Amino acid sequence: GESVGLHLPTLSVQEGDNSIINCAYSNSASDYFIWYKQESGKGPQFIIDIRSNMDKRQGQRVTVLLNKTVKHLSLQIAATQPGDSAVYFCAETIIQGAQKLVFGQGTRLTINP
Amino acid sequence: GAVVSQHPSWVICKSGTSVKIECRSLDFQATTMFWYRQFPKQSLMLMATSNEGSKATYEQGVEKDKFLINHASLTLSTLTVTSAHPEDSSFYICSARWTGPGNTIYFGEGSWLTVV
Repeated sequence: GESVGLHLPTLSVQEGDNSIINCAYSNSASDYFIWYKQESGKGPQFIIDIRSNMDKRQGQRVTVLLNKTVKHLSLQIAATQPGDSAVYFCAETIIQGAQKLVFGQGTRLTINP
Repeated sequence: GAVVSQHPSWVICKSGTSVKIECRSLDFQATTMFWYRQFPKQSLMLMATSNEGSKATYEQGVEKDKFLINHASLTLSTLTVTSAHPEDSSFYICSARWTGPGNTIYFGEGSWLTVV
């Protein structure tokens, strides 16, 4: 299988601070990237996506940055709240031909009060 | 928005028996669905890609005879874990690709399988 990780990286931030979660993707042919949030015992929830023809995309309190040169994605969460505590995964795919979605290893974000 | 439903949410079965998990796209047609397995504190591992009306495409290392996938309609894919063993206990998650604008992929809520 793919995207096997034995230990999730962790990130702890204070409530109200901004957080940045990083992800390295593997396939230079990937042209569509998605960030998901997964709370304990639940399926992944879509946060934000970006296509390879863009470098940056903003949503509500979240921003995704894409650097295709180094195959790197980041998710910025502004003014973090306790409800942001979760595991965050980046995922990559190729749109044409309904290609499979491959997940990165994930980062556990903990918001401290 | 689009919804993907999995059933059952959790199941306990005896070792050696088979268990079926359903994945339904409730308000859209999905020609492609994906099945993932997730062990505790790990990422989602893609098991197979399920294509409506054709055979599933399995990832390397996934036994197709053990994990039977059927995608008989545009809204339903099933995963059957045959002759389940305790090591098959895991969180199984399906997703469905919406073929409309945006090509968004929606996930189900997952199914917990415990084999005793």
